[in-house]
Amino acid sequence: GAVVSQHPSWVICKSGTSVKIECRSLDFQATTMFWYRQFPKQSLMLMATSNEGSKATYEQGVEKDKFLINHASLTLSTLTVTSAHPEDSSFYICSAIGRFNEQFFGPGTRLTVL
Amino acid sequence: LAKTTQPISMDSYEGQEVNITCSHNNIATNDYITWYQQFPSQGPRFIIQGYKTKVTNEVASLFIPADRKSSTLSLPRVSLSDTAVYYCLVGGLGDDKIIFGKGTRLHILP
Repeated sequence: GAVVSQHPSWVICKSGTSVKIECRSLDFQATTMFWYRQFPKQSLMLMATSNEGSKATYEQGVEKDKFLINHASLTLSTLTVTSAHPEDSSFYICSAIGRFNEQFFGPGTRLTVL
Repeated sequence: LAKTTQPISMDSYEGQEVNITCSHNNIATNDYITWYQQFPSQGPRFIIQGYKTKVTNEVASLFIPADRKSSTLSLPRVSLSDTAVYYCLVGGLGDDKIIFGKGTRLHILP
């Protein structure tokens, strides 16, 4: 099946720094990708919809200036957590829509902000 | 977007058949029902998808009654490795965003 990768798989950073997470569709093109955040023992929470060549659509309560999303190509979307703080520590997961409209999820990125 | 309701948790034993039921009373005509499995610190993994009646693949079966207001994921002969969180999702195909419910935490005992 189609594969979605994320890089890095985990990252530790200092408070106040910015962190970029990449989401790639490896063997298919994805005009739409989604970004989720998941806290321990909780469900996935949709943060935003990333559309190739246009601005991302953010869910209510998600700060677009803090979570910058760039979908510059049909196989790559990036999420940048700007000025990260400890409360941003979470598991970030992306997904991409495949050729037959299936949704494939990446393996996730564990962000820890010290 | 149709809201889903699942049991918070379930326990079962190795070798048993496990059935997890999901309620989705306000499912729309063009909505499909999809089930995902998630292990700790991993992304969700697709299990099965259906629109009506019964769908079966190599890992599970999905039963959907005629009114489509609920669905049941059936896992035959579970093993310890099936311990995971299972999410029932309802939505259209393609670019429709998916909203995750709380999922069912399945714990398989030896």
